[in-house]
Amino acid sequence: SQQGEEDPQALSIQEGENATMNCSYKTSINNLQWYRQNSGRGLVHLILIRSNEREKHSGRLRVTLDTSKKSSSLLITASRAADTASYFCATDAGTGRRALTFGSGTRLQVQP
Amino acid sequence: GAGVSQSPRYKVAKRGQDVALRCDPISGHVSLFWYQQALGQGPEFLTYFQNEAQLDKSGLPSDRFFAERPEGSVSTLKIQRTQQEDSAVYLCASSVPGVRQPQHFGDGTRLSIL
Repeated sequence: SQQGEEDPQALSIQEGENATMNCSYKTSINNLQWYRQNSGRGLVHLILIRSNEREKHSGRLRVTLDTSKKSSSLLITASRAADTASYFCATDAGTGRRALTFGSGTRLQVQP
Repeated sequence: GAGVSQSPRYKVAKRGQDVALRCDPISGHVSLFWYQQALGQGPEFLTYFQNEAQLDKSGLPSDRFFAERPEGSVSTLKIQRTQQEDSAVYLCASSVPGVRQPQHFGDGTRLSIL
């Protein structure tokens, strides 16, 4: 079963706008990761945030984590048409288990 | 360098047939994972290997699903007596050891059971 939900399920924006996606999860975690998936392709790792971190940046990506609310957000600034993809959050359990539990994903469409 | 390679990319089988899906991980990656992704959903964990040892198979949905990695490199996911609900994309991922290491995914095998 999925760990949690992502919100919104789908998002359509214009090139140059910012896109914000939210993820909620259910259990204690060690780390939370964000992945992107282009249609018909595998997942590509974007960024990892540890449970003791609150915010992390990588290029045009900004991730926040609120462990008290069991939620995370991914912000993509100055979006490009090439950012069109599905975005998934993934968590690993606090037990050191390697399996990732993915959310249901946000489908982002960036209009040129 | 080569990424994770999966074959075949597409597989169509009749209900009741057995199928075998192959994964070639990135060279040197000791950790290997299999996930199942239904249409419009996120991947769901099936099983995990460290070298040739299957350390976690808690996600395998039934005893019809079997995975192996006999020499610690290539892995095969086998599904026996396939059923329609087995239709999905099967993703393989590999990584170096460590819980904070990203997993590198192949493009998957799309399995359709008729």
